[in-house]
Formats: sequence, C-alpha cells, structure tokens
Amino acid sequence: QKEVEQNSGPLSVPEGAIASLNCTYSDRGSQSFFWYRQYSGKSPELIMSIYSNGDKEDGRFTAQLNKASQYVSLLIRDSQPSDSATYLCAVRGSGATNKLIFGTGTLLAVQP
Amino acid sequence: DTAVSQTPKYLVTQMGNDKSIKCEQNLGHDTMYWYKQDSKKFLKIMFSYNNKELIINETVPNRFSPKSPDKAHLNLHINSLELGDSAVYFCASSPVLNTEAFFGQGTRLTVV
Repeated sequence: QKEVEQNSGPLSVPEGAIASLNCTYSDRGSQSFFWYRQYSGKSPELIMSIYSNGDKEDGRFTAQLNKASQYVSLLIRDSQPSDSATYLCAVRGSGATNKLIFGTGTLLAVQP
Repeated sequence: DTAVSQTPKYLVTQMGNDKSIKCEQNLGHDTMYWYKQDSKKFLKIMFSYNNKELIINETVPNRFSPKSPDKAHLNLHINSLELGDSAVYFCASSPVLNTEAFFGQGTRLTVV
C-alpha cells in the first residue's frame, strides 16, 4: 500500500463547477496535511494546510480532513481554467523525522 | 526576493560526470530538503537536514551526497552520473520540522 494515494486523473470539470480532489494516507499517526498545486514545468506551490478534523476554507478552496478514515480532500469552488494543474497531497509522517510524503498527484483540467 | 533558490535551473551533462546543485533559502527556516521528481511526476524525498544535521537519508545511491555548510544552504553533489538520474531535483525548506515545505524552482537534470 502506498503511503499517500491519489487518483491520478485527469479529472475534467467544466468552468464554474466544483472540483473535488481526494487523498488517503496509511500512517494513522499523521498530524499535518497539505495540498500543493503544480503547474506544468513549475515547482509545487502550497495552497492549503490542515491539521484538525473538519473543514478549512480559504477563498475558493476548502480542505477537509477525516483522521478516523485517514482521508483528506480539497474542494475548489467556481473552478477556473487557471486552476488546471496537478494537485499534490502531502502528509507529515508520525515518525521521529516527520517525513513529508507526497502522493502522485491528480491532474485537474477545467474546461472553458 | 526569491525565498528558496536553486542553481542551475537546467543541467545537461554526460554519463560519468560529477555535478553539483546549489540551494539557498533566505526564509530563516531550520529544515531543508532535497526531493527528486521523476518523469511520472512523483515527488520523492531524498534527504532532509535540520539545523545542519542530516535527519533523513532515504534509499539513495551513495553517488548522491548532500552538504549543508550552514542552515541557509543545502547543496547536492552527484558523482558518476547515470542516465537514470535524469529528473527534476527540488530543494525545499520548512520553518521547523513538522510544518509545510516551500520549494525552489527546481533543477532539470538531463544525463546523455
């Protein structure tokens, strides 16, 4: 089982719709969770962090965390073509080194 | 001002050569990392330093050697380059060990 799993996509949504990106993780002791956006040929850019169960909203982005189910998601409301990118889920492991482990990413394509 | 900067941005070299990639962060962060992103876009951690001390050393060939002369710098030296080393190498830093990471612009290494 991979440590952090994401559906690779592509996930295609029409402009203005809600995009829902999902991530599961294997380390039950993980405490810190992050979503990064990576445009083609660019570096990963942090867009959301979440540490507690529930929802966290920032503009059009909402991160959702359910530690019991070992599940974290990212919702993008009113999706725009400029949101088209690969979204990477990252999880801090619970070991002494707190490794930041990435999923393989989900490619989102927002259709105009 | 670039927060995490890497040089060079592109590196094309022949098999068997030795090369170095430099990284500097001006954020005052304690922790720095090297990640490798392969052609399938998977970001895999290679090394992590916390206050100049090596804390993560993943299963990476001995040909790869990191060096952290001070908290703001983490360089990566690669000996006897092989075709399979071709990838994008990202440097990143975190304020402290268990928080989010901020990435440099990446170094695209091509071994021919």
